Amino acid sequence: QSALTQPASVSGSPGQSITISCTGTSSDVGAYNYVSWYQQHPGKAPQLMIYDVSNRPSGVSNRFSGSKSGNTASLTISGLQAEDEADYYCNSYTGSSTPYVFGSGTKVTVL
Amino acid sequence: QVQLVQSGAEVKKPGDSVKVSCKASGYTFTTYYMHWVRQAPGQGLEWMGLINLSDGSIDYADKFQGRVTMTRDTSTSTVYMDLSSLTSEDTAVYHCVRESSGLKNFDYWGQGTLVTVSS
Repeated sequence: QSALTQPASVSGSPGQSITISCTGTSSDVGAYNYVSWYQQHPGKAPQLMIYDVSNRPSGVSNRFSGSKSGNTASLTISGLQAEDEADYYCNSYTGSSTPYVFGSGTKVTVL
Repeated sequence: QVQLVQSGAEVKKPGDSVKVSCKASGYTFTTYYMHWVRQAPGQGLEWMGLINLSDGSIDYADKFQGRVTMTRDTSTSTVYMDLSSLTSEDTAVYHCVRESSGLKNFDYWGQGTLVTVSS
């Protein structure tokens, strides 16, 4: 099971919106609505930001939103803030013998 | 509050085994699954496997089949991950990660345990 494909880096200025893509296949992202997104600051454990493609856990800012089209999921951060600078990883359920797979990760830089 | 507290850093030699523990508190232990996810230095996240804390059933990533063993002790609310035949490529931070049974996302993460494999 190969890692889901994410851009290595995305950047934006404060207040702007950015979108991170997560491309899989018809066997993972395209097959299930079990895509989740995680934010990881340096030296810290990841934190759940989006689950089931587009749902936000309690306490996560509504500036974070998720969507999916076909085999590609996306995370959008609107009103970019300095604190959003971090690494972001998508994850999908696959239903296969390796039932979960992470994306390759995207470093978000706030200019 | 939910806490997942992992054991401390380990230094191992190639060929050794390592056992990492994860003690859970703040919730009903057996109503969740526990996953293990690792991250090599400067690299991304890698899913290793999961254990159903209710019945102990396991599901391992193909890559780790035959080399990883996940167990739990319900009397102490502790989960264990044992990885054998270590190589330098196993040098990583290992996280235990909670999943609400069947929800297929990871809502709480342990602080991570650094395992260094070096001769």
